[in-house]
Amino acid sequence: GESVGLHLPTLSVQEGDNSIINCAYSNSASDYFIWYKQESGKGPQFIIDIRSNMDKRQGQRVTVLLNKTVKHLSLQIAATQPGDSAVYFCAENIKGGGSNYKLTFGKGTLLTVNP
Amino acid sequence: GAGVSQSPSNKVTEKGKDVELRCDPISGHTALYWYRQSLGQGLEFLIYFQGNSAPDKSGLPSDRFSAERTGGSVSTLTIQRTQQEDSAVYLCASSFYGGQPQHFGDGTRLSIL
Repeated sequence: GESVGLHLPTLSVQEGDNSIINCAYSNSASDYFIWYKQESGKGPQFIIDIRSNMDKRQGQRVTVLLNKTVKHLSLQIAATQPGDSAVYFCAENIKGGGSNYKLTFGKGTLLTVNP
Repeated sequence: GAGVSQSPSNKVTEKGKDVELRCDPISGHTALYWYRQSLGQGLEFLIYFQGNSAPDKSGLPSDRFSAERTGGSVSTLTIQRTQQEDSAVYLCASSFYGGQPQHFGDGTRLSIL
């Protein structure tokens, strides 16, 4: 199976609610994780990242939580807005030899915010 | 603009033709990546350039695919003898160096007839 996967392929929330998007990874050697937002017809947009020596990181309206024990990553969006509607991808980087830093992406979760 | 720029934004070509896709990374970024995204799917790694090091080509699906990066800046992804299964969005990303957040362009949507 995939080294990175998402529990829910779709998520529908009401405007103003908090959203939680989950991601599971299987490779314990992964040391760097990124969340991206992708709107239709555009490239993925960086949201927030976290390294394996941390378990929580906060940005503007977003929080990423990393649970290395169960290999789980989540993205929390506070006060979700219609503009947050998009596909969200988590990506992991496996610490490898040399300069290999390619990311492995999950298939994404479609977040729909209802007004 | 200051972002990653890709051209063309759309490309339609006949099966068997060669295509070239261009990527202008963010100025100063030493790492450059190419990915492929099929409809409704995640991103599939193709190739990674880091400075003057030999590129990591481990994701290229066949020998019809090649890429180069000239002068440590602009990159070109070439697909020879295109097949219908090559239809996808080809995304380029760059970062200051490997291990830093990758910033993506809006991609080239390639359609093979």
